[in-house]
Amino acid sequence: NAGVTQTPKFRVLKTGQSMTLLCAQDMNHEYMYWYRQDPGMGLRLIHYSVGEGTTAKGEVPDGYNVSRLKKQNFLLGLESAAPSQTSVYFCASSRGTGEYGYTFGSGTRLTVV
Amino acid sequence: SQQGEEDPQALSIQEGENATMNCSYKTSINNLQWYRQNSGRGLVHLILIRSNEREKHSGRLRVTLDTSKKSSSLLITASRAADTASYFCATEFSGGYNKLIFGAGTRLAVHP
Repeated sequence: NAGVTQTPKFRVLKTGQSMTLLCAQDMNHEYMYWYRQDPGMGLRLIHYSVGEGTTAKGEVPDGYNVSRLKKQNFLLGLESAAPSQTSVYFCASSRGTGEYGYTFGSGTRLTVV
Repeated sequence: SQQGEEDPQALSIQEGENATMNCSYKTSINNLQWYRQNSGRGLVHLILIRSNEREKHSGRLRVTLDTSKKSSSLLITASRAADTASYFCATEFSGGYNKLIFGAGTRLAVHP
């Protein structure tokens, strides 16, 4: 009964380095999302996917890329990390539109120095 | 931005008291949802209210929705110290894929 699992939980990057955050869900949900949360702010949507092989931009997509090659996985990539990308990143999944809430992972705390 | 905005930003009450948080949004919505976030944790879905509903209950939670005023409220009755958390409203706006836009949240502190 894992729900949504995010790896890693913590990471420190140097400016310019790249990394990939992995999100995995075991609920057979169609929809998956990546959000970032900064102090004093709510969650802001980075990218989302409405099914395997699909991705779309959210509110703050610049500097990030995503892939959804398998239904259960949603990857968030940072090609060249910047200090402005220091944040807590949350992945979420949902069964569909209008009727269901999201299930969130526990987050990845990323620091870019 | 379609973002919901919560009010107040912070709320401090005693155990047993009721806590009311408000949310306003800007455009037509399919539904509005409330989430709780304990410090350092992920968000937990509390309740969803559709645009054609006016009130919904779940345990000690009561949510109202006024689409004419584009606002919602979350009432937690008989609060407990364990209710201490941040509470976020999120709106799924009409005409598009299922994507939620979150407000900045209300930090609730319930003192024993």
